[in-house]
Amino acid sequence: QSALTQPASVSGSLGQSTTMSCTGTSSDVRDYDYVSWYQHLPGKAPKLIIYDVSVRPSGVSNRFSGSKSGNTASLTISGLRTEDEADYYCSIYISNSPPVLFGGGTKLTV
Amino acid sequence: EVQLVQSGAEVKRAGESLKISCKTSGFDFARYWIGWVRQVPGKGLEWMGIVYPADSDTRYSPSFQGQATISANRSTNTAYLQWSSLKASDTAIYYCARHYPKGSLQNMDVWGTGTTVTVSS
Repeated sequence: QSALTQPASVSGSLGQSTTMSCTGTSSDVRDYDYVSWYQHLPGKAPKLIIYDVSVRPSGVSNRFSGSKSGNTASLTISGLRTEDEADYYCSIYISNSPPVLFGGGTKLTV
Repeated sequence: EVQLVQSGAEVKRAGESLKISCKTSGFDFARYWIGWVRQVPGKGLEWMGIVYPADSDTRYSPSFQGQATISANRSTNTAYLQWSSLKASDTAIYYCARHYPKGSLQNMDVWGTGTTVTVSS
C-alpha cells in the first residue's frame, strides 16, 4: 500500500482544467518540499513534469503546475489535450526508509 | 545528452537467475544515485532501491530488501538489477532512473525505457 494517496481516476474536457491530489501524512508531504509528479504514457518511460512541489523541468509545458497545502500536494493541468491522457504519479523524497515513496497513481481521461 | 538504455525483454522460469542492465551516458555516472522502479502489470510504480556508483552504496525499500540485488559498474557506467531465484510475482516492467540533483534523491529526472521481465511458474 502507498503512503501517498491519489484518486484512482480523474477526468476533464478538452480545453478545460483538472486537478488531481496526492495526500500524505504529517510526516511526509507536509514536512518536505521534495514532491515530484510523473506522467506515464502506456508503453513509455515515466516523465518528470514537476519537482520540488511546483518547479517545471525545462521543456515541460506551462499547462502543468504543482502546489501543496498541508498534507496534500496537487497537480493541475490546464487547457487539457487528448495527449494528456496518461497515468500521473506523485512521489516524495523523505529522510526515512524508504527515502522515496510513490502514490498509487491517477488515470486521467480527457 | 543524458541517456539510460536498458537491456531487452526477458522470459524466464521460476527459480532461474537474471541480471538486467541500465547503461548510462552523458553524465557523471559515479556521482548520481541510480534507482530502480517496478511496475507490476496493471499496477502502479514502486520504488525498489538505489545505488551510488562512486562507492557502491546501495539502499533498498523494505518491501524489496532481500528480493533482488542492485549494483553498478563504474568502468562501464552501467547499473544492474539481479535476482538469484525468480518468482512468478517478479513479472513486471523494471525501470532504471537517474536521481537528481547530483548526490541527492529529490526526484528522478531521466528514465530508461524499461525492461519487461516475464516469469512463468
